[in-house]
Amino acid sequence: DSGVTQTPKHLITATGQRVTLRCSPRSGDLSVYWYQQSLDQGLQFLIQYYNGEERAKGNILERFSAQQFPDLHSELNLSSLELGDSALYFCASSVGAGGTPGVSYNEQFFGPGTRLTVL
Amino acid sequence: GEDVEQSLFLSVREGDSSVINCTYTDSSSTYLYWYKQEPGAGLQLLTYIFSNMDMKQDQRLTVLLNKKDKHLSLRIADTQTGDSAIYFCAEKEGNNRLAFGKGNQVVVIP
Repeated sequence: DSGVTQTPKHLITATGQRVTLRCSPRSGDLSVYWYQQSLDQGLQFLIQYYNGEERAKGNILERFSAQQFPDLHSELNLSSLELGDSALYFCASSVGAGGTPGVSYNEQFFGPGTRLTVL
Repeated sequence: GEDVEQSLFLSVREGDSSVINCTYTDSSSTYLYWYKQEPGAGLQLLTYIFSNMDMKQDQRLTVLLNKKDKHLSLRIADTQTGDSAIYFCAEKEGNNRLAFGKGNQVVVIP
């Protein structure tokens, strides 16, 4: 158990709908990352937050958005869902955000993922 | 983003050694990682190597880094059935984000 929790574990929805995925980081971790794992694209970085502020953006679609709340949990919102959005969405957390060197400080701990199926 | 490439599938007998290979493109990466993903689970950091090292040994795991060829490998000695999983190499990009390879599925035959 990494200490990162994600809910829900599974989500089945229809095209055009909107869903919210939730992530609670490990206690003490300030940075949260979202990754998407799909068969055709592999594991891709979506977005990173550090202490409530967006720190980096990857291949995140405009239909997707995220935020990190004052209690440091994060939500990933996916809207106007398409079949191709079906994937496993992982959240990870770390103490730092990469600015301070050190593997342990920046090591990312991954949650078990949310499997999204869009029908 | 950077491109990290891996081969897809490896079958190995229990007790033998497994070697998984990976190539990466960003020569400025400071850290390179190996992650393990078991069915239904998230990714677990197995080991890492700093870019100024050629080799790192960590119990049954040996990581080799060839910076000239941008080639990274993971050797698992005495492979056990619990090693059956998908293995991802990853490089650290700016702001601590990770760029992953496509993954290599290792199946250990008892």
